[in-house]
Amino acid sequence: SSELTQDPAVSVALGQTVRITCQGDSLRSYYASWYQQKPGQAPVLVIYGKNNRPSGIPDRFSGSSSGNTASLTITGAQAEDEADYYCNSRDSSGNHPNYVFGTGTKVTVL
Amino acid sequence: QVQLVQSGAEVKKPGASVKVSCKASGYTFTGYYMHWVRQAPGQGLEWMGRINPNSGGTNYAQKFQGRVTMTRDTSISTAYMELSRLRSDDTAVYYCARWNYGDYDGIYYYYMDVWGKGTTVTVSS
Repeated sequence: SSELTQDPAVSVALGQTVRITCQGDSLRSYYASWYQQKPGQAPVLVIYGKNNRPSGIPDRFSGSSSGNTASLTITGAQAEDEADYYCNSRDSSGNHPNYVFGTGTKVTVL
Repeated sequence: QVQLVQSGAEVKKPGASVKVSCKASGYTFTGYYMHWVRQAPGQGLEWMGRINPNSGGTNYAQKFQGRVTMTRDTSISTAYMELSRLRSDDTAVYYCARWNYGDYDGIYYYYMDVWGKGTTVTVSS
């Protein structure tokens, strides 16, 4: 099965911009979705498709994709954005639908 | 509003089975696949499989083949995930999530737009 690789941790100063990347072969075939997870809480969808935000997600969150890499950008990071972020995609290998999560990135807002 | 309500925490002994429920409300249950995802303590998210509530058809991650069974009861809009032959490393929070999809310029995208709050399963002797 495919794998999705993310940097384990990144930090960003309050109000600055941070980009989180997700790499994997399946991203050449499918868009990634992105999830925010705060300690003790369920994941929350923040970006899906080409660059779509669910209702209630601030517009400082945006997504992009190129080749085998998907990116989540937080422009003007806020303290409440400190969380773990996971990408997810359908696995492009094999005949049966499988889905895979990225390894996760811990974002610290300084 | 759209929500998924999961059953309460479970404590099981190694070798036992656990069955977690996920009750959907606020939308047409049979119109969306339901996925199950787990998270071991301090670890990342792990996809377990999915069920089509309309047909009952399932797809499981290879890792769980033979140990996991996903079912549903459309009369009460509830999905179930049963994991058998439990081991200590099955200790985790188990989530159900509603699955949705679309396409942009012929490229499909998939996403889990509604999540349950999770069910903690502890496997300990």
